[in-house]
Amino acid sequence: DGGITQSPKYLFRKEGQNVTLSCEQNLNHDAMYWYRQDPGQGLRLIYYSQIVNDFQKGDIAEGYSVSREKKESFPLTVTSAQKNPTAFYLCATGQELNTEAFFGQGTRLTVV
Amino acid sequence: KQEVTQIPAALSVPEGENLVLNCSFTDSAIYNLQWFRQDPGKGLTSLLLIQSSQREQTSGRLNASLDKSSGRSTLYIAASQPGDSATYLCAVKDSNYQLIWGAGTKLIIKP
Repeated sequence: DGGITQSPKYLFRKEGQNVTLSCEQNLNHDAMYWYRQDPGQGLRLIYYSQIVNDFQKGDIAEGYSVSREKKESFPLTVTSAQKNPTAFYLCATGQELNTEAFFGQGTRLTVV
Repeated sequence: KQEVTQIPAALSVPEGENLVLNCSFTDSAIYNLQWFRQDPGKGLTSLLLIQSSQREQTSGRLNASLDKSSGRSTLYIAASQPGDSATYLCAVKDSNYQLIWGAGTKLIIKP
């Protein structure tokens, strides 16, 4: 199957804990993105990467970290510094400037 | 700074009606505009992509238009069905190559 796989689908985090969300793609796309979605708001960009071993902060990068060691993988770590991490997290990929973006099925993170 | 607005936030119509969803943006310097569908608890599915040089795109019962000069796009859904119930989001790719998102319109089609 071609596409984007996010795991896990649901994730629970305790206070002070770091957790990592997985995003894997087999579309051979260069660019990968992480968004956060909160109720009633548009998607907000956390981090993006346009090439292996390089990534850029988005609008709300504080409390998050990423890596891009392989073209296929772009994991997102939600650190204990992120004070309000409960949200729906979406990973996306893209190829060239004027092509469409493709999305994974999302991970819902809840703080317990 | 580019801002994207979708009005209304929610819409409920009877099955079979034609309907229009609206998306407006403040800066006309965009590369493209994309409409997405999101089902509850799911990711986003791309519906239509309109390049900045295009006026409209069609896919089945869906037609999206783009008027850059007025900063508006509409998504027209013909002969609505209960399966069309979802949240519809629009996003513009701005001059920094980033997607800027509206908050979405939640559509309910009543059988």
